Formats: sequence, C-alpha cells, structure tokens
Amino acid sequence: GAGVSQSPRYKVAKRGRDVALRCDSISGHVTLYWYRQTLGQGSEVLTYSQSDAQRDKSGRPSGRFSAERPERSVSTLKIQRTEQGDSAVYLCASSLGDHLGEKLFFGSGTQLSVL
Amino acid sequence: AQSVTQLGSHVSVSEGALVLLRCNYSSSVPPYLFWYVQYPNQGLQLLLKYTSAATLVKGINGFEAEFKKSETSFHLTKPSAHMSDAAEYFCAVGGGGYNKLIFGAGTRLAVHP
Repeated sequence: GAGVSQSPRYKVAKRGRDVALRCDSISGHVTLYWYRQTLGQGSEVLTYSQSDAQRDKSGRPSGRFSAERPERSVSTLKIQRTEQGDSAVYLCASSLGDHLGEKLFFGSGTQLSVL
Repeated sequence: AQSVTQLGSHVSVSEGALVLLRCNYSSSVPPYLFWYVQYPNQGLQLLLKYTSAATLVKGINGFEAEFKKSETSFHLTKPSAHMSDAAEYFCAVGGGGYNKLIFGAGTRLAVHP
C-alpha cells in the first residue's frame, strides 16, 4: 500500500480482556513506533522496533503492553487485561531509518474504548 | 527530560486572518522540533521540522515556525488562513535518541467564513 494502515479502526473491549491491534507499515521502512494518543494529554511512545536483515530489536514496554513484528512491515500491539485507562487512540508510525528528525509516516489510528 | 505544551486547545480564526498556534518546549538536550497536522480520519502528517539549522522553518501549505531558544518556543504561523486549514495541529519534540517524539495535546483550528 501507499501508506501506513491500521486495523481495526475502532475497538470496544470489556475490561480485563486482551486486545490486539494491527499495523501495516510501508515496505522498506526500518523503524516502527506505537504511540498512545490520549485526549487532552498528548501522545507518548509505547514501543518502537528496528529491523534489518540480521536482527530485530523490539522495544519492550513494561507491564501489559507488548509489540510483535512477525514481518518487517507488520506489527501487532497487544494489551493484556485491559483497563478503562487504556481507552485512547493508538497510532502506528514508521520511518525509513532510525535517525532523529527522520520523517514519520502515521496511520490513522485505532480508537480503543474499554468498558 | 522533554515535554511540550500547546497553549489553547481550540483556536478559531476567520478566513484570510493570521493563524498563530503556540508551542513551548522543555528539553535537557538540543531539541528537534516538529509540527504535525491531522485531518479527520487521517494519520498525522509532517508540516515542518526544526533540526538545528535555520531558526525560521518553512513548511507545506504556507505554514512556517520560528525556533526561539530564549523563549523555548516554536510557534506555528500562517499569514492567511484557508478553510482547508481546519484540522488539529500537534507540536512535538525529540532529541532523546532515535526518532521517539513527545507530542503536545494538540490545538484544534477552526476557520470560519
């Protein structure tokens, strides 16, 4: 595809359940980020990963959040035992390299609501 | 540590009027600063970035921003607003390594006829 795509667009989960959010990034992009965007509070990086032919370095956010990258252009963010405070928009972004200032390409996000 | 504060969660201007969106940052290392725009149902798009070169940075769609170290500011301006500028704008700071950015809470810009 031409850009970063995320699925699902909306997700409703019962508190305590696990959820998985998918990101398809741009082919050839090395670095992939997951951000959490909370209304009125800005966005924070949850995890990032780099991959090349030899190795994959995946960020390991603490606690209930984890990210997997089964293919270079695919990432899955997993949230275990969801809490109401996890309700937010989860953004995926990728970049060609990992240098500071490199342009990030964002998906349109997954809006998660935990009831 | 780094942080970003965007002053004003909502800004409303008339078409043709000056747009000014405020951003102040805090950083213990020389910062890289960014403005991103988000249109409804779309991902964040880079408007412009400051990476320690010229302090006045020009971006897409007629926007520009000036880095002022003494004021720790990076305000976004556009001389004349268009209806199509209505969107949410995010200021971000980086510099702690790799390309991990910290975003502000965003400013929603409304443009009325």
